[in-house]
Amino acid sequence: KAGVTQTPRYLIKTRGQQVTLSCSPISGHRSVSWYQQTPGQGLQFLFEYFSETQRNKGNFPGRFSGRQFSNSRSEMNVSTLELGDSALYLCASSWTGTSNEAFFGQGTRLTVV
Amino acid sequence: GENVEQHPSTLSVQEGDSAVIKCTYSDSASNYFPWYKQELGKGPQLIIDIRSNVGEKKDQRIAVTLNKTAKHFSLHITETQPEDSAVYFCAASKSQGAQKLVFGQGTRLTINP
Repeated sequence: KAGVTQTPRYLIKTRGQQVTLSCSPISGHRSVSWYQQTPGQGLQFLFEYFSETQRNKGNFPGRFSGRQFSNSRSEMNVSTLELGDSALYLCASSWTGTSNEAFFGQGTRLTVV
Repeated sequence: GENVEQHPSTLSVQEGDSAVIKCTYSDSASNYFPWYKQELGKGPQLIIDIRSNVGEKKDQRIAVTLNKTAKHFSLHITETQPEDSAVYFCAASKSQGAQKLVFGQGTRLTINP
């Protein structure tokens, strides 16, 4: 069974630009969550999507947004990039039947210059 | 909101010895506690988890204990091997099925041969 796939793996953007990251969950998984990982703040929850609806949201500004498609694939978008948005962005998928287990992809390393 | 504290931040042990990492959480409603291992350049890998209705769980050399009264849980690795070297994260969640993990700050474990 294929794992969680995130694309692209690496990205360099300029301040003020916007970026879109993609996540394909494990086949059959219906929930996709996004996390930001930085050396200073650690792993922080951005938002979760289930059946194309945002079900949970973390404490990030509105520049961070996401969506989920009918095939459970998800994208997250960051607009008006700031230097502080440089981070590893991780996607996790889970089944959300009676199980809580979340499985992470390898992440997208975003560098804002 | 939930807050998870993890100690120590770094841990160095001799190969073959045991390693223990401890976490405390603040929200008594949390009911799911996973542990993740993250190797360089990779996403976090789920290694073991425990639910609030269980006090201890073992999987080969890895065990997790939970004390709901004190609101703390611990990861125990026995007979450590060089491949156990990585950063370990604890997390807590209070959402059955929904995915909103609150992570500890991580422990960098080094196994010395």
